[in-house]
Amino acid sequence: DTEVTQTPKHLVMGMTNKKSLKCEQHMGHRAMYWYKQKAKKPPELMFVYSYEKLSINESVPSRFSPECPNSSLLNLHLHALQPEDSALYLCASGWQENSPLHFGNGTRLTVT
Amino acid sequence: GESVGLHLPTLSVQEGDNSIINCAYSNSASDYFIWYKQESGKGPQFIIDIRSNMDKRQGQRVTVLLNKTVKHLSLQIAATQPGDSAVYFCAETGSTGNQFYFGTGTSLTVIP
Repeated sequence: DTEVTQTPKHLVMGMTNKKSLKCEQHMGHRAMYWYKQKAKKPPELMFVYSYEKLSINESVPSRFSPECPNSSLLNLHLHALQPEDSALYLCASGWQENSPLHFGNGTRLTVT
Repeated sequence: GESVGLHLPTLSVQEGDNSIINCAYSNSASDYFIWYKQESGKGPQFIIDIRSNMDKRQGQRVTVLLNKTVKHLSLQIAATQPGDSAVYFCAETGSTGNQFYFGTGTSLTVIP
């Protein structure tokens, strides 16, 4: 079992829906990440939060909106997604810069 | 993002043999590297890491070698077992130390 918990495990949404992905860790990590992974591809970095502040946005479209309410929680708000946004969305956390990332098992998102 | 790639997309080995998975990276300023294992339906799992001031690091049945001159990283798995079957990714930190970029991945299949 992973110490990074992601909910829901699966999500199907229409292109006009608004939904949110949630991620939680209680390891005291101060860096949290969102990655997107398409089938048979490596994870692609989307966002990095450091000490609850957004530090990196890898030119992600505005239909993806991250939020870090506190040091244990990370959300990804989804609105007006496209079918090509269907993927596995992975959350990760780490102690600080240059330390290993701990991943959750992801949310499998399907946009119809 | 950074360019991190793997030489071989698939690798099949007999149970009990040693496995070697290779990775090339392009950013000579990268100073921290991690190998991850990803099983079907799960998030990436940390295997071993190495910093740029080292050229070799050993764990339990795994060894990582770093050749900074040619920007090459390898993962050696001793006495490969069926449970080692998975996709293996190398990852490197970007210029700020908290951006992890993943290589394309190698799918390892262990033949009993």
